[in-house]
Amino acid sequence: KAGVTQTPRYLIKTRGQQVTLSCSPISGHRSVSWYQQTPGQGLQFLFEYFSETQRNKGNFPGRFSGRQFSNSRSEMNVSTLELGDSALYLCASKGGGDTDTQYFGPGTRLTVL
Amino acid sequence: GNSVTQMEGPVTLSEEAFLTINCTYTATGYPSLFWYVQYPGEGLQLLLKATKADDKGSNKGFEATYRKETTSFHLEKGSVQVSDSAVYFCALRPSVGRGSTLGRLYFGRGTQLTVWP
Repeated sequence: KAGVTQTPRYLIKTRGQQVTLSCSPISGHRSVSWYQQTPGQGLQFLFEYFSETQRNKGNFPGRFSGRQFSNSRSEMNVSTLELGDSALYLCASKGGGDTDTQYFGPGTRLTVL
Repeated sequence: GNSVTQMEGPVTLSEEAFLTINCTYTATGYPSLFWYVQYPGEGLQLLLKATKADDKGSNKGFEATYRKETTSFHLEKGSVQVSDSAVYFCALRPSVGRGSTLGRLYFGRGTQLTVWP
């Protein structure tokens, strides 16, 4: 079974631009979560989607948004990029018979110049 | 609230040495506990997990036991290899709380392990 895939793997943007990241969960998984990883703050939870509905949300500004499609694929969008948004963005899916374990993708490395 | 505290790194060991990475947590009830590993340039891989007190998770020679009395989930390996060099994250998933807390993982800051041949 294929794992979680994320595209693109690397992105370079400039301040003020917006960006969209994509995540395809493991087949059959309906929950997708997003995390931001930075050296200073570590791993921080952004949001979780389940069956196209946002179920949980972390403490991030409204510039960070997401959505989930009927095939469980998810996108997250960051508008008006700031230098501090440079990070590794990780997507995780869970589902099937195990609703406890999240399986992570390789991440998208976003650099904001 | 929910939180995870890991021992500060980096940890540097020689091949075949014994490894312990300490992890303690704060949470209400009986959270599920996880160890994830991150190799350079990659995402997180699940290493092992335990979902109830006294459970032992194990994988690839790594072990961790869920200790409710000490709120700990220390990672151990009897003989490390160069290929074990990576960053290790301890995490918890709450079992009680509001909906906004239940689905997410709470991570420690990570411990960098370097193993020399």
